[in-house]
Amino acid sequence: DAKTTQPNSMESNEEEPVHLPCNHSTISGTDYIHWYRQLPSQGPEYVIHGLTSNVNNRMASLAIAEDRKSSTLILHRATLRDAAVYYCILSGGSSNTGKLIFGQGTTLQVKP
Amino acid sequence: DTAVSQTPKYLVTQMGNDKSIKCEQNLGHDTMYWYKQDSKKFLKIMFSYNNKELIINETVPNRFSPKSPDKAHLNLHINSLELGDSAVYFCASSPGLTDTQYFGPGTRLTVL
Repeated sequence: DAKTTQPNSMESNEEEPVHLPCNHSTISGTDYIHWYRQLPSQGPEYVIHGLTSNVNNRMASLAIAEDRKSSTLILHRATLRDAAVYYCILSGGSSNTGKLIFGQGTTLQVKP
Repeated sequence: DTAVSQTPKYLVTQMGNDKSIKCEQNLGHDTMYWYKQDSKKFLKIMFSYNNKELIINETVPNRFSPKSPDKAHLNLHINSLELGDSAVYFCASSPGLTDTQYFGPGTRLTVL
């Protein structure tokens, strides 16, 4: 199973953009890059995913490096509600079992 | 309108007891999962069912037995509870094996 590496924690000010990095140097050609987040005392929730091209949705943007060995989740204007643990996960691939392997994630603190 | 629901939310029990956690999804999804989040906050998949068929069975003690009476339900039965079983258990569902997963609110199990 391909692994991801994320910083343990990051801080941001409210209403400023946040860039959350993720390294996945052993990604395979068929692995999708998924981002989930877990708010305090809640279950994880889907944020965004992509394969090769950059992706945008109402929650965030995902920028994927050309060699796909790294990606960045972008929150355009952080709010206090965005304080959570953000997980970068590779899934799909050749096994196709749907198994999500969660690492330690990045704990994002948002300061007012 | 809850998409993925779990009962109970909290479960406190004595070592050696048998307990069940129930999960229901009203999203019409074919695939359901159980994850365990331990005290160090690591989330690990335990089981996955697709169309009521067991797909993923990680190295989980056989005291844990999932049961899927229909596609909308995946229950988790735990026999002879041990202290180390204390954790938050999350149920999730997805349309198919490689699709976005939707998580329930979690069940906090405490074994005394």
